[in-house]
Amino acid sequence: NAGVMQNPRHLVRRRGQEARLRCSPMKGHSHVYWYRQLPEEGLKFMVYLQKENIIDESGMPKERFSAEFPKEGPSILRIQQVVRGDSAAYFCASSPQTVSNTEAFFGQGTRLTVV
Amino acid sequence: KNQVEQSPQSLIILEGKNCTLQCNYTVSPFSNLRWYKQDTGRGPVSLTIMTFSENTKSNGRYTATLDADTKQSSLHITASQLSDSASYICVVSRGNTDKLIFGTGTRLQVFP
Repeated sequence: NAGVMQNPRHLVRRRGQEARLRCSPMKGHSHVYWYRQLPEEGLKFMVYLQKENIIDESGMPKERFSAEFPKEGPSILRIQQVVRGDSAAYFCASSPQTVSNTEAFFGQGTRLTVV
Repeated sequence: KNQVEQSPQSLIILEGKNCTLQCNYTVSPFSNLRWYKQDTGRGPVSLTIMTFSENTKSNGRYTATLDADTKQSSLHITASQLSDSASYICVVSRGNTDKLIFGTGTRLQVFP
């Protein structure tokens, strides 16, 4: 049973380009969470999704950021028109139930660098 | 404000020594408290999860304590090893939500 898979591990984008980060949850997990970690800071919640539904996106910037978790395939975090401040590590976690009551398993993260 | 504060920010110890990391939180309502280990360049890995009624929980050489009255937790590492070098993150789950609130972590370095 593979763990949470994120790809790419490293992504370099020029300012103004789009970044697409992918997350495949563990088998049997239907809850996916995205977090952002800036250097020397803790992980910050961005968005919580279940299959085909966004449950809570209160931590995600209103503009340029979007997330989806389709019926088939991985969850995607999309950042349009990236800026230098988007440079960070983006982690995905999955759980079989809501994370407040159960273990969350994290992927290895995608490190986005905007140049 | 819902916050998780950890101390010290960083810690250096010699291999074989014990150490204790601290966590104070103001998260309400409280659901559970977790300690994660995050190696450099990797995702966090869970060490322990404690609910309101649990005072202590062990996972090998890691022992976590929780005082829900004072809203404090500690992580004690016994007989440290070089592989314990990592960031240790205290995370509190807020009741009735699906958010985990992360501390900024304690960066532990174990030297031979």
